[in-house]
Amino acid sequence: AQSVTQLGSHVSVSEGALVLLRCNYSSSVPPYLFWYVQYPNQGLQLLLKYTSAATLVKGINGFEAEFKKSETSFHLTKPSAHMSDAAEYFCAVSSDTGRRALTFGSGTRLQVQP
Amino acid sequence: GAGVSQSPSNKVTEKGKDVELRCDPISGHTALYWYRQSLGQGLEFLIYFQGNSAPDKSGLPSDRFSAERTGGSVSTLTIQRTQQEDSAVYLCASSLGGPTNYGYTFGSGTRLTVV
Repeated sequence: AQSVTQLGSHVSVSEGALVLLRCNYSSSVPPYLFWYVQYPNQGLQLLLKYTSAATLVKGINGFEAEFKKSETSFHLTKPSAHMSDAAEYFCAVSSDTGRRALTFGSGTRLQVQP
Repeated sequence: GAGVSQSPSNKVTEKGKDVELRCDPISGHTALYWYRQSLGQGLEFLIYFQGNSAPDKSGLPSDRFSAERTGGSVSTLTIQRTQQEDSAVYLCASSLGGPTNYGYTFGSGTRLTVV
């Protein structure tokens, strides 16, 4: 069984401030982990993914995430928020043990204040 | 096509009516997934297709929900006798293979409102 918990349904930061979106996972086997972003009225877009090659994963738009097995976490960060980062962010896990679908968290809506 | 196309983009239907939602995946993508996104909720998995077969339909919430895929391409999600709790955004995604190597490409979704 696999699951994802995203702490904080809403996060608000000032433009230029650090962005930290939290994700904890549960998986009975080594996981594959993903972050997706959803802009208003659009589908989800892949930001980055962890597939065991490196624990620090860099994605698009300056985002990165670090896989920490001991903490079962895969938090998303960006050093300096931009107004265009305002969106909803989803963490997802796949154990790829035959069930080919991703399990998504409930999402975190990021607001960026000017 | 260049992306995953879903139609209609919006659908308002009366309770008890049947609806069909269509997904046109990226050409050559063998895997196709349907998810449901309810207000304030994450994405709920519905069904996965590999080619025309559905090895995992464990997420379909009731027997009112069905889906098919023909020609390894277009998929249709059908909801019979719609209920108000079916109101949600229905998202389709396609992939060359499993999500671990290729990731998903999502469509923009169909917003279903049952009144």
